[in-house]
Amino acid sequence: SQTIHQWPATLVQPVGSPLSLECTVEGTSNPNLYWYRQAAGRGLQLLFYSIGIDQISSEVPQNLSASRPQDRQFILSSKKLLLSDSGFYLCAFGQGVNYGYTFGSGTRLTVV
Amino acid sequence: AQKITQTQPGMFVQEKEAVTLDCTYDTSDPSYGLFWYKQPSSGEMIFLIYQGSYDQQNATEGRYSLNFQKARKSANLVISASQLGDSAMYFCAMREGRTAGNEKLTFGTGTRLTIIP
Repeated sequence: SQTIHQWPATLVQPVGSPLSLECTVEGTSNPNLYWYRQAAGRGLQLLFYSIGIDQISSEVPQNLSASRPQDRQFILSSKKLLLSDSGFYLCAFGQGVNYGYTFGSGTRLTVV
Repeated sequence: AQKITQTQPGMFVQEKEAVTLDCTYDTSDPSYGLFWYKQPSSGEMIFLIYQGSYDQQNATEGRYSLNFQKARKSANLVISASQLGDSAMYFCAMREGRTAGNEKLTFGTGTRLTIIP
């Protein structure tokens, strides 16, 4: 079966520190992968998506970057976190145009 | 303009009653898909139901149904016989186009549903 793993579940980081969130998918090959951010009490904003290894598209200008070094691995990074980077980050993979996404369990990031 | 609009920030519904969560969308693409997701307090996103723009009938999945009114560009979620476990945030989302490999979804701001015992 297809599964998606995302870690860590929670993270508290000081302003200016680096960030690395990892997401891996099992049970499928060449998935389309997505990073979303959800600010407190808000909807989901698409940050990055990837249709293949080293193929990353950014949806919004920001302090974050994404990489896909392997087919089923998607990493969200920052060199220096800002307070405004706080939020709930969700990784997802596409199940086909009629099936939407399967989401990871999310990472709650607090920048202090 | 907002592509997905959910006008109800919060709703309180008595247990066992039916509830309708509103969603309107904006697109000029003739091919699109509409989705509803549930987000409990744990944060996980759970897929509930899908409606394609060319589907002739309203989608149903168990207690969930989607009231699709294409001319009005609305895709309301109906939950029948609500249960305490239905308390959660609910998000409406849209995919535009049918490009293979492109399943980007645009989400609304959500509705927080609280079921009252």
